[in-house]
Amino acid sequence: DQQVKQNSPSLSVQEGRISILNCDYTNSMFDYFLWYKKYPAEGPTFLISISSIKDKNEDGRFTVFLNKSAKHLSLHIVPSQPGDSAVYFCAAPYPTGANSKLTFGKGITLSVRP
Amino acid sequence: DAGVTQSPTHLIKTRGQQVTLRCSPKSGHDTVSWYQQALGQGPQFIFQYYEEEERQRGNFPDRFSGHQFPNYSSELNVNALLLGDSALYLCASSVDRGNTEAFFGQGTRLTVV
Repeated sequence: DQQVKQNSPSLSVQEGRISILNCDYTNSMFDYFLWYKKYPAEGPTFLISISSIKDKNEDGRFTVFLNKSAKHLSLHIVPSQPGDSAVYFCAAPYPTGANSKLTFGKGITLSVRP
Repeated sequence: DAGVTQSPTHLIKTRGQQVTLRCSPKSGHDTVSWYQQALGQGPQFIFQYYEEEERQRGNFPDRFSGHQFPNYSSELNVNALLLGDSALYLCASSVDRGNTEAFFGQGTRLTVV
């Protein structure tokens, strides 16, 4: 049973445009979410997080939106840059707390075309 | 700060053998978690160690075991290797307080032949 779903395996966008990466979850107990970015031959690196008490969190070019009623979150990257090309994972810790075990989606491969 | 370091980076083992993977957490971190990432999948939680004890465990068989040392470093042991154990094994470290994110090492690529 996949509790965190990233249904689109890949996304290709033009440099300078917006990238929107989607993530859905099924466990209503999840109340904190993280996005990780992974380059080949490297481990995942933390990008941005959001708590369920918020519906939006921004950090520079990266914004994460959370729709609790739809159990859906999305990561927006504006403007997209070629260096953003990587695999992006959505993850949720459970029990509550970022130190708990993380449940990951399968990831989305983002390609930003120059 | 060296971050999370894992060794070795690559490993080839024969089916039925045993393997030990090692992880040194980021400076100041006291909690170590291990994940298995199969090709085309997201990382799957194996277990977590804190204060030298296994605190949480994912859905992995007893062939997977671990250890945490007093300096917070950790080992992952896999016995009776199967072809399906071929994967990238990731170690993540974190601090056992507050809402802090986990930092990952570069992983160990295990190939079972």
